[in-house]
Parts: sequence; structure tokens; C-alpha cells
Amino acid sequence: DAGVIQSPRHEVTEMGQEVTLRCKPISGHDYLFWYRQTMMRGLELLIYFNNNVPIDDSGMPEDRFSAKMPNASFSTLKIQPSEPRDSAVYFCASSTGTDQETQYFGPGTRLLVL
Amino acid sequence: SQKIEQNSEALNIQEGKTATLTCNYTNYSPAYLQWYRQDPGRGPVFLLLIRENEKEKRKERLKVTFDTTLKQSLFHITASQPADSATYLCALNTGGGNKLTFGTGTQLKVEL
Repeated sequence: DAGVIQSPRHEVTEMGQEVTLRCKPISGHDYLFWYRQTMMRGLELLIYFNNNVPIDDSGMPEDRFSAKMPNASFSTLKIQPSEPRDSAVYFCASSTGTDQETQYFGPGTRLLVL
Repeated sequence: SQKIEQNSEALNIQEGKTATLTCNYTNYSPAYLQWYRQDPGRGPVFLLLIRENEKEKRKERLKVTFDTTLKQSLFHITASQPADSATYLCALNTGGGNKLTFGTGTQLKVEL
């Protein structure tokens, strides 16, 4: 299996621009998670989906952030407009419905907002 | 307030020794706790899970303990090797379903 796939791996953008991060979970996994990691705050859960439905978005920092999962094999995290404080590494993770506690992480997208 | 604390200072040990990492938490009652390993530039990788009714779990050279009274987990790597050098994160199940809250991690460096 290819594992969780994220794109792009690196993104540099200017403040005010829209940023879209993409994730393809492991085939057959029912849960998908978006995390953000910074030196100051560590790894934080932003939102997670079960069977394409958002279950908990309490970690989404503000209305500038939105996430969608139109089908079982694709999810996006969008930031509009982006700000320098959004600079971080964004991880996507997935897990199965049976072994649901174990989360499998993608390689992350390193975002820099200038 | 709710907190998960791991030793923020790096842990340096000699090859062959046992490394012990600590995870303390307050104001949570997790159903389970997990440990992950993270290498630079990569995503975390799952290592072990221990449930609230378990005291100890082992996997090869890894051992984790879970004391719900002390609100603490200890993670041990025996016969440590330079390849064990990485950042280790503890994660608590802090909500319904699979919600995890992570500690900030401890960097382990195993020297020859």
C-alpha cells in the first residue's frame, strides 16, 4: 500500500492568498484526520471525518480554515485568506473502522506564508 | 486546564542503555494512550497502544506502562541503538471516537 499521500509537500505563498492542501487516505480507511504541527504548539488536531462526514471540527482555528471530504479517497484543507501565523507542517492521517485507534500519518505539507 | 506534558529537553543516552520517557497529563480520563515515533521531516509512526485497564504493554525492545492514578505513562526502550534516535510523542484519547491529543514530544539521542 502507498500509505497516506499528501500534496503538495511544500508550499510557499504570500499573505492573503488561498492555500489548498490535499490528502488521499489509505484505501479502505474510514477515518481521516487533519493535524497542524508547530514548534510552539506541537501537533494539534484540526478536524476529523468518519465515512466522509465531519465529526469534530473544534480544532479548526477560525473561519479562514475549511475542510472537505467529497469521497472516501480524497480530502482537502483550505485556508483563505492565509496569514503568516498559519505557517506550519500540516499532516493528514487515516485509520480503519476496525483497528480504529491506530492512525497512519502522511508525510506532511510544509506551508510557509510570507 | 487540560495538559499533556513530556520532557521538553532532549534525552541523551549511551548505546545499550535503557531510555525512559515520561508522559504526564492532567484533567483527562483517556480510554487509551499511544506512543508514536517521529523522525525529522516525516509524519509520526504508531508504536504502541495501552488501554486504561492495562498496566503494562511490551513489543520487542519497547515497554510502556500506564498509571491512571498518577496520570502518567512511562515509555522504555531497552538495549537502545543509535537508530532509536528520534522524537517520541505520547497521545491520549481525549474525546469520542478516535480523537487524540498529543504531547509536545521528547527528543531522544542515542550515542555510540
